[in-house]
Amino acid sequence: GEDVEQSLFLSVREGDSSVINCTYTDSSSTYLYWYKQEPGAGLQLLTYIFSNMDMKQDQRLTVLLNKKDKHLSLRIADTQTGDSAIYFCAESINTGTASKLTFGTGTRLQVTL
Amino acid sequence: GAVVSQHPSWVICKSGTSVKIECRSLDFQATTMFWYRQFPKQSLMLMATSNEGSKATYEQGVEKDKFLINHASLTLSTLTVTSAHPEDSSFYICSAARDRTFFGPGTRLTVL
Repeated sequence: GEDVEQSLFLSVREGDSSVINCTYTDSSSTYLYWYKQEPGAGLQLLTYIFSNMDMKQDQRLTVLLNKKDKHLSLRIADTQTGDSAIYFCAESINTGTASKLTFGTGTRLQVTL
Repeated sequence: GAVVSQHPSWVICKSGTSVKIECRSLDFQATTMFWYRQFPKQSLMLMATSNEGSKATYEQGVEKDKFLINHASLTLSTLTVTSAHPEDSSFYICSAARDRTFFGPGTRLTVL
């Protein structure tokens, strides 16, 4: 079955780096995603990584994938107060395009001054 | 990027009434649309997968007679919560997929 776990809460100081972790159980995942959700809003896709990659960098965001351990992380460099939100990892199987996503439990990131 | 809209963005209704939520892909034709439900401080749970012109596929534990899905065209899917009760109060989010998946902004349903 599919089960995606995240730590519930993370607090960092503005300017520091944030690392949000995610573990999944389905080894047949083809794509893994990171989404951001601000209060009362929908989901914003931040980045995604194909399962045959181990790292992807996009400006302040770095995604690391350890497929052996089924561990995914999102690093946000120079964290800003606007980064405060809930972050969800998600996995998809099959093509990763029109396939359904299984979401993690979400990590609430709090950025303090 | 592609835009997916939902209407209404929030709705309050009395217990026993039915509520329809629309999901539209504004600038692309979606081969598949998905409906999710998110309870407060919880993750998104997939309710059903909808393909245009065919019956929706519901996830285990989701009552298809209570959550009616109609996928009328490649740009519109509707979710109708029939005979809504307070426990149906939730944040309903749709996504539309073609080459990529795009999420709508969500609809907050409160049933009194």
